[in-house]
Amino acid sequence: EIVLTQSPGTLSLSPGERATLSCRASQSISSFLAWYQQKPGQAPRLLMYGVSSRATGIPDRFSGSGSGTDFTLTISRLEPEDFAVYYCQQYGTSPLTFGGGTKVEIK
Amino acid sequence: EVQVLESGGGLVQPGGSLRLSCAASGFRFSSYAMNWVRQAPGKGLEWVSGIRGSGVGTYYADSVRGRFTISRDNAKNTLYLQMNSLRAEDTAVYYCAKGHTDYAWMFFDYWGQGTLVTVSS
Repeated sequence: EIVLTQSPGTLSLSPGERATLSCRASQSISSFLAWYQQKPGQAPRLLMYGVSSRATGIPDRFSGSGSGTDFTLTISRLEPEDFAVYYCQQYGTSPLTFGGGTKVEIK
Repeated sequence: EVQVLESGGGLVQPGGSLRLSCAASGFRFSSYAMNWVRQAPGKGLEWVSGIRGSGVGTYYADSVRGRFTISRDNAKNTLYLQMNSLRAEDTAVYYCAKGHTDYAWMFFDYWGQGTLVTVSS
């Protein structure tokens, strides 16, 4: 099973700042990585897939990069609605696995 | 508009059974893999099971294999999860999630709002 490790666990930032979230895989997953955003009491929402492709309706302040085992989700300028928990997911190998999440909170 | 709506959650005793349903609309249901993903209270996401569009290929996490059965009725645009021999650690919100394609190993582009399953005596 591929283990995804997300860091940091919590990111405390102010609106307008840049957020950089990390996801590291225990073995190579090529570019089979997706990112989701989850707000309290809501279902996860797809943000990115194939490392760097934005899902429908996702603003361009969200970007993804990386390959192999190290991946990054960047939010260029945090908007109030961006404070949430973010999960990475690999879909290159069975079983599908998720990282433990990074909470982006208001500083 | 794509919509998926789960139902069937509730309180069940350890060792009991429950069947979850997921009604889908807004897309050609039989052309896409469907999945169940769960989230224990205050915890992260865990993929539980997936099924290809035709219903022929089914896949399970080790934690539920042999106890849970995924199925679908393409005529009714509905996904199911039969859960038997339930344990306390199965307590979670269960989400129905649409795969981006019919391929089993895929990301999820639409999610339902979830249904809560509580296993407790």
